[in-house]
Amino acid sequence: QTVVTQEPSLTVSPGGTVTLTCASSTGAVTSGYYPNWFQQKPGQAPRALIYSTSNKHSWTPARFSGSVLGGKAALTLSGVQPEDEAEYYCLLYYGTTWVFGGGTKLTVL
Amino acid sequence: EVQLVQSGAEVKKPGESLKISCKGSGYSFTSYWIGWVRQMPGKGLEWMGIIYPGDSDTRYSPSFQGQVTISVDKSISTAYLQWSSLKASDTAMYYCARTAAGNYDYWGQGALVTVSS
Repeated sequence: QTVVTQEPSLTVSPGGTVTLTCASSTGAVTSGYYPNWFQQKPGQAPRALIYSTSNKHSWTPARFSGSVLGGKAALTLSGVQPEDEAEYYCLLYYGTTWVFGGGTKLTVL
Repeated sequence: EVQLVQSGAEVKKPGESLKISCKGSGYSFTSYWIGWVRQMPGKGLEWMGIIYPGDSDTRYSPSFQGQVTISVDKSISTAYLQWSSLKASDTAMYYCARTAAGNYDYWGQGALVTVSS
């Protein structure tokens, strides 16, 4: 059973920078895993932020960026805003199926 | 405008069957996969499976293979997720999402399924 691991929680100050990571139990994450990142706020459907490692949707704020860093997929928020407080999920591709990470609860404090 | 509109909340008893839907509009329905995602109360997202409306090619997560059936009626641009015998552990919010070429973009609003005796 493939496991995708994210930090359970992170805290960042407004205006700060934070990086969330996404690791695979199968080994190093590469662009071939087509990492996607989603934001979910309480009571809302997930919202897509990043696809295929680093591509942004038309609605994705410029302060969000995606990359592969040290064998993990990464989502970096620069100049964090209070409204960025949310749960963040990564999604990785495994040939015929996809697997979500467990999510990172981001607190802006 | 791309939209995925899901059917409404359902309350069912254990052992009953259920089929929920996800209707796509504003794009070529047969050109994008539709995926289904489960979110149990207070928990994270779980990828269940996907279907390609163009040819009904379907892939399931090993965790959900045999537990649910994903289908599509491309004539009405609608994908389905169904259960033949619900369990209390199927209580969750279910989302559909559009995907192509590694890009999950638009999501449905979610459908809450409650299974209780």
